[in-house]
Amino acid sequence: GAVVSQHPSWVICKSGTSVKIECRSLDFQATTMFWYRQFPKQSLMLMATSNEGSKATYEQGVEKDKFLINHASLTLSTLTVTSAHPEDSSFYICSAREDSGREHYGYTFGSGTRLTVV
Amino acid sequence: EDQVTQSPEALRLQEGESSSLNCSYTVSGLRGLFWYRQDPGKGPEFLFTLYSAGEEKEKERLKATLTKKESFLHITAPKPEDSATYLCAVLRGSNYKLTFGKGTLLTVNP
Repeated sequence: GAVVSQHPSWVICKSGTSVKIECRSLDFQATTMFWYRQFPKQSLMLMATSNEGSKATYEQGVEKDKFLINHASLTLSTLTVTSAHPEDSSFYICSAREDSGREHYGYTFGSGTRLTVV
Repeated sequence: EDQVTQSPEALRLQEGESSSLNCSYTVSGLRGLFWYRQDPGKGPEFLFTLYSAGEEKEKERLKATLTKKESFLHITAPKPEDSATYLCAVLRGSNYKLTFGKGTLLTVNP
């Protein structure tokens, strides 16, 4: 089945530094990937839609200069949290939409990244 | 605005005690309703997609149904390994975006 690899699984960084999270589709091509943020006991909140070869589309209220998204190939999207602050601490999850559009519209999720900013 | 409401927020069952989780939605032009399972510290794992009212799908102890206003996830004779958060999400239009509910935390005691 479709597999999405997300790295790292967890990361601790100091305030003011930047952190890059990778989302890779291992066995399929994904023109479109999505980045979510999830707070404890809360739903997944869509941050942005990542489109291969073009600029990401950010949801209302998400700072595009803080959360930089790059989707340079059909199998890789990256999220960089710039100048991280403690309030950026959260669980970040990516998903990839398979271009071939299988039965469940091909939404496969990564395993998530726990970011802690100290 | 799309709305997805899941109930209950938490459900505790004894092993073998069947029950149902609810997902009510308000969305125009529904293209699909998804059920996912999420274990702590992990990403969601796909369970089912339902496309139209009246549709039903089954997988092991789980059965998902869909009406025009809500979906149910029925769990028959659950086991402790079924303990997880179950998420419902809807897809509409052509923007490929999913809108998630807050989930139901299911705990099955042995």
